[in-house]
Amino acid sequence: AQTVTQSQPEMSVQEAETVTLSCTYDTSESDYYLFWYKQPPSRQMILVIRQEAYKQQNATENRFSVNFQKAAKSFSLKISDSQLGDAAMYFCAYKVPSGTYKYIFGTGTRLKVLA
Amino acid sequence: DVKVTQSSRYLVKRTGEKVFLECVQDMDHENMFWYRQDPGLGLRLIYFSYDVKMKEKGDIPEGYSVSREKKERFSLILESASTNQTSMYLCASSFGGEQGARGYTFGSGTRLTVV
Repeated sequence: AQTVTQSQPEMSVQEAETVTLSCTYDTSESDYYLFWYKQPPSRQMILVIRQEAYKQQNATENRFSVNFQKAAKSFSLKISDSQLGDAAMYFCAYKVPSGTYKYIFGTGTRLKVLA
Repeated sequence: DVKVTQSSRYLVKRTGEKVFLECVQDMDHENMFWYRQDPGLGLRLIYFSYDVKMKEKGDIPEGYSVSREKKERFSLILESASTNQTSMYLCASSFGGEQGARGYTFGSGTRLTVV
C-alpha cells in the first residue's frame, strides 16, 4: 500500500532562519507526483510546491524548495528566510499519474515561526 | 479568482440529525473530493466523484453518503450524525485525467461539532 509519513508533528524556526520539513513515502510505482500543501490558521489549504518523480531537478518556488531523493523515497521541504506568515500546518501528499484520482496525505507538521 | 466554496464554516448539530455539507466549485473541475481532517491522522478520504452522478468510496465512507447532481456541486451527507463525526471537513476539486496531477484546490473547511 502507498503511504506517506511525516515524522515531525511540530517544528519551530526563528524568523529569517531556514527550516526543513521531512516526508517519506512508500510506493512501488516509478512515476508519480509529490506535493507540499500549506494550511494556515485561516484553514484554506494552498499548494506550495509540486515535484514530478521522473524529473531529476528539485522543484523550487521562491523561498520554498524540495530535496527529492527518489531512491530513498524522501521528499523534504526547505523554507529559507522564514517569515511569520509561514506558520502553518504543512502536509506532504502523493499521487500516481493514472488509475486513481485521489491523493494520499501525510499526517502533517505544524510549523511555528518565532519572532 | 477561482475558488471552492463550502457553505458553512462552523456547524453544530445534535446526535441523530441528518446533516448536509455543501461544496461548490467554479473551475469546471471534473473531480471533487470530501476529506475529513483530524489531529494526528491527517486527511482521510471519505468519498470522491469523477463525474456528475458518479461517486466512489474513499477510505472511511461508513456513516456518510454523497450527491453530485451538477458538475459544480458536491454534497456530503451524514445520515444520522454521531459524536465521532465531530471533525473538520474539507472539500477539494481537481481536473480529470492527467491534469488531475496539477494539484487540488481546497475549500476553507467546515468544522462540524455533533453534540
